[in-house]
Amino acid sequence: QKEVEQNSGPLSVPEGAIASLNCTYSDRGSQSFFWYRQYSGKSPELIMSIYSNGDKEDGRFTAQLNKASQYVSLLIRDSQPSDSATYLCAVPLNSGYALNFGKGTSLLVTP
Amino acid sequence: ETGVTQSPTHLIKTRGQQVTLRCSSQSGHNTVSWYQQALGQGPQFIFQYYREEENGRGNFPPRFSGLQFPNYSSELNVNALELDDSALYLCASSLDLGPRETQYFGPGTRLLVL
Repeated sequence: QKEVEQNSGPLSVPEGAIASLNCTYSDRGSQSFFWYRQYSGKSPELIMSIYSNGDKEDGRFTAQLNKASQYVSLLIRDSQPSDSATYLCAVPLNSGYALNFGKGTSLLVTP
Repeated sequence: ETGVTQSPTHLIKTRGQQVTLRCSSQSGHNTVSWYQQALGQGPQFIFQYYREEENGRGNFPPRFSGLQFPNYSSELNVNALELDDSALYLCASSLDLGPRETQYFGPGTRLLVL
């Protein structure tokens, strides 16, 4: 079973700070990586996808990928209380490309 | 809004019963995947359909079965319900197959088995 690992948290950061969320994966052949945000009681919504080594920025969000270290991270700049949610890292399975999710990291942004 | 809908939103069943959950994908989306999310866990892949054929299955027993219909709707059937089947069931649709395809999730059906 291919693994996707995340620290469950909670990760607590003050408003305005940078939140750093980390994810490791076991399948060296993985090509794509997705970050989903899930508010309590809601379904996951896509924040970022990344396919190549390096950084990808979208507004306050930056995804970072290091395939050699099998590590993908999500940075949230200028964190807001509305960013408080669970962040799920997902890697497509080899067959069919359904998603293999980590357990998620709970983020709490305090005013 | 992702354009993916699920029904019902909540459901209570008793152990041993059968349940059918429904999903309506975005129009034109050929792929639908179903996931089970237990409390405090990430979603777990149940199975996937592509153009009405099962295209992959996770580690779930055969009492979990599904169908996909030509009108972009699909259903998940669970027989002989067990207490551990209590979870949020999510469907996600995507345009096609591929490692870069974005999956769009519906709001989920919360199932409680007593």
